[in-house]
Amino acid sequence: DAGVTQSPTHLIKTRGQHVTLRCSPISGHKSVSWYQQVLGQGPQFIFQYYEKEERGRGNFPDRFSARQFPNYSSELNVNALLLGDSALYLCASGGELNTEAFFGQGTRLTVV
Amino acid sequence: GESVGLHLPTLSVQEGDNSIINCAYSNSASDYFIWYKQESGKGPQFIIDIRSNMDKRQGQRVTVLLNKTVKHLSLQIAATQPGDSAVYFCAEIPPIGGYNKLIFGAGTRLAVHP
Repeated sequence: DAGVTQSPTHLIKTRGQHVTLRCSPISGHKSVSWYQQVLGQGPQFIFQYYEKEERGRGNFPDRFSARQFPNYSSELNVNALLLGDSALYLCASGGELNTEAFFGQGTRLTVV
Repeated sequence: GESVGLHLPTLSVQEGDNSIINCAYSNSASDYFIWYKQESGKGPQFIIDIRSNMDKRQGQRVTVLLNKTVKHLSLQIAATQPGDSAVYFCAEIPPIGGYNKLIFGAGTRLAVHP
């Protein structure tokens, strides 16, 4: 059974551009959360979706948005990229228990 | 605001020794805590969890201790191996939010020397 899959694995974008990151949760999991991990720091919560509804939002600007599809996969969108958006973006998949969180390998975004 | 932090940013141990990684949390209402291991270039990997109604929980070579009085968590790794070298994070699930909303600390890097 596949774990959490994220695409792409690496991405380089220019300031001002837009980026879309994708995540497929573990089969049967209905919850997807997104985290930003800046080098040398712990992951910071961005969004959480359950059954296609937003259930939580972290302290991130409106340039960050996300959605969850009927098959429970998810996209994270970031507009007007800044250099400070360079980070590892992690997706976590969860089941019925709100204490489950299994992470994917992440997407390494570099903004130049 | 509430946060989870760690006492030591870097821990160096000899192979075969026991390791202890510490963590302080600030939200006394949190009732669930998780330890993650993150190797270079990978996402965090679940190690062990503990609920606030427990003081201790053991896994394979790992033990988590919870002291609610002083809001302190620790992860003990027995007979540390080179493969244990990684960054370790503690995380808490706040009482409001749930569903995978984890608050992570900054992490402790564990370096295991032969």
